[in-house]
Amino acid sequence: EIVLTQSPGTLSLSPGERATLSCRASQSVSSSFFAWYQQKPGQAPRLLIYDASNRATGIPDRFSGSGSGTDFTLTISRLEPEDFAVYYCQQYGSSPYTFGQGTKLEIK
Amino acid sequence: QVQVVQSGAEVKKPGSSVWVSCKTSGGTFSSSVISWVRQAPGQGLEWMGGIIPIFGTPNYAQKFRGRVAITTDESTSTAYMELSSLRSEDTAVYYCAVGYSSSWYNAFDIWGQGTMVTVSS
Repeated sequence: EIVLTQSPGTLSLSPGERATLSCRASQSVSSSFFAWYQQKPGQAPRLLIYDASNRATGIPDRFSGSGSGTDFTLTISRLEPEDFAVYYCQQYGSSPYTFGQGTKLEIK
Repeated sequence: QVQVVQSGAEVKKPGSSVWVSCKTSGGTFSSSVISWVRQAPGQGLEWMGGIIPIFGTPNYAQKFRGRVAITTDESTSTAYMELSSLRSEDTAVYYCAVGYSSSWYNAFDIWGQGTMVTVSS
């Protein structure tokens, strides 16, 4: 089973700032089958990035994903008030399709 | 646009079973991949298993093998997840998530609203 470790656990930033969230896999993720999701309180997760760097439909271009192998990054270029939420990484290249423990992005 | 609607909240006794349904519309059900993910209160996301209706054979996480069953009814574009031998640790929100292609190598494009299952004596 591939274990995903996200850092930091909590990130405190202000609107307008740049956010960088990291996810490290315990072994290489095949073919960059890697995604990022956003979850707000009381809501289902929403797909942001798939295949490591592709934005899902309707996702603003301030969200970008990068990385390969064992190290992946989600960058939010300029934070909007609606971006403060919990973010999860996921690999879907090897069953079981595991998630990271989440990074909470909070308003500073 | 694909929409996913799940069945309502359940309260179950320990040792019993629960069925959760997931009805999709607006897409090609048989050639999508349907996954079930749960989230215990205040916790992260946990993949339980999934199925590609056109192929029919489910894929379960080892942790749930023997206790979970995922099935589909293509006539109503509905997927089902049954979890048996319930214990208090199974108290969680259960999500159905749909991927648009008939491949296991697919992110979870659309999620249902979640179904709260509470296991309590």
